[in-house]
Order: sequence, then C-alpha cells, then structure tokens
Amino acid sequence: DTGVSQDPRHKITKRGQNVTFRCDPISEHNRLYWYRQTLGQGPEFLTYFQNEAQLEKSRLLSDRFSAERPKGSFSTLEIQRTEQGDSAMYLCASSSDGGGQPQHFGDGTRLSIL
Amino acid sequence: QQQVKQSPQSLIVQKGGISIINCAYENTAFDYFPWYQQFPGKGPALLIAIRPDVSEKKEGRFTISFNKSAKQFSLHIMDSQPGDSATYFCAATLRGDKLIFGTGTRLQVFP
Repeated sequence: DTGVSQDPRHKITKRGQNVTFRCDPISEHNRLYWYRQTLGQGPEFLTYFQNEAQLEKSRLLSDRFSAERPKGSFSTLEIQRTEQGDSAMYLCASSSDGGGQPQHFGDGTRLSIL
Repeated sequence: QQQVKQSPQSLIVQKGGISIINCAYENTAFDYFPWYQQFPGKGPALLIAIRPDVSEKKEGRFTISFNKSAKQFSLHIMDSQPGDSATYFCAATLRGDKLIFGTGTRLQVFP
C-alpha cells in the first residue's frame, strides 16, 4: 500500500500529558499537510510543509503544538500539555508541488483526552 | 472570504435517484475545487475535482458543475447506491496551499 500512513490510529491519554503522532506521506510527494477534524465538522488546516520547510501555520496551532518534517520525509505532530479541547481526529495529507495537485489523506489519528 | 459554504447538511435519497450537493465560495482566486468522500473512521478520499476554467467534469456516476460567475459548484451523484452513503465535503484551494473545506453533507441512500 503506497498511500499516506498515520500512526497510531488511536491515542487515549490523560489531560496534561504530551502526545506525538507520525505521518508517512506518499513517497514522491514533497508537500505534507496536517488538519484537525472534530465530530460533524470538516477538516481544519493546521500547518503544511514543502520538503522540510514549514511554510504556513494556522492560528489554531497554539504554542502547545509543534510539527516537524526532518529530511523532508515523514512528519511528526506533537501536542504538549494536552487539554480536553484537543480531542479530535488529526489527519495528514500529502501532494505533489504546485497548484491543482490533489491532496491525498491518511486515515488519521483519533485522540481522546480523559 | 476564505469560507466555503455547503448545503444541505443532510440528504436522504432513494436508490437509483440523483443526489445533489451545493457549495459556494467567496475568494475568486481559488484555483482548484475538489470533492471528498468520507466514511466513518476513515480519512477523506478524493472523489473528483475541477478547475475554474471548466464548467463541468464527469467521472462515472459523479459530475461536478461549476458556475464561475455565481461562485458556486455542485456535485451530482447519478443512480445513487446504498454504498454511496457517506459524508461528502467540498473544498477549495489556492496554488496548492491549504484546503478550505465545507461543513459536509451526510448522504443516506435507501434501497
């Protein structure tokens, strides 16, 4: 399977703990995006990378959130000091460069904060 | 100006019928308009997409109609099947940047 892969699929943690998610994009894609989706809503943009450079961050991405894409391959999204409001599905997508290129999504990591 | 408005919120269609979902946008600079299909517990899957220089695109039972002057686009699902029951999202983007999603339409197709 050469699609976007996310790990773990589910994460349950206590409020105040730190969590880290991983995304492996489609191998030839140099753009990688993170979105957050809450129940009954469309995905909301968090941040995106072109190769290893983080090009844009949403104001949704508070200082407790950090994302990295070392060497322009896989990416990690870390949430520090988790809060109840962080409970959501975290989706990763990848695409080729340029306008009009489709973004392909993984199946997400569902985060539940106890 | 970054919003994409989607309607209806939910849709019930009989098997074999036509499902129609509508979206409207404000930013005339958007240059790519995809539709995604999402099943429970899964990520959104790209269904079909269109650029603003085309008024219609058809792939199998799925058709996008695009009205640039009205800043509206719609998804038509012909011969709707129970397997089409899912949530559908329209989206828009500029130069391959972030996708701006609509609020979603939950489609239920009954046999």
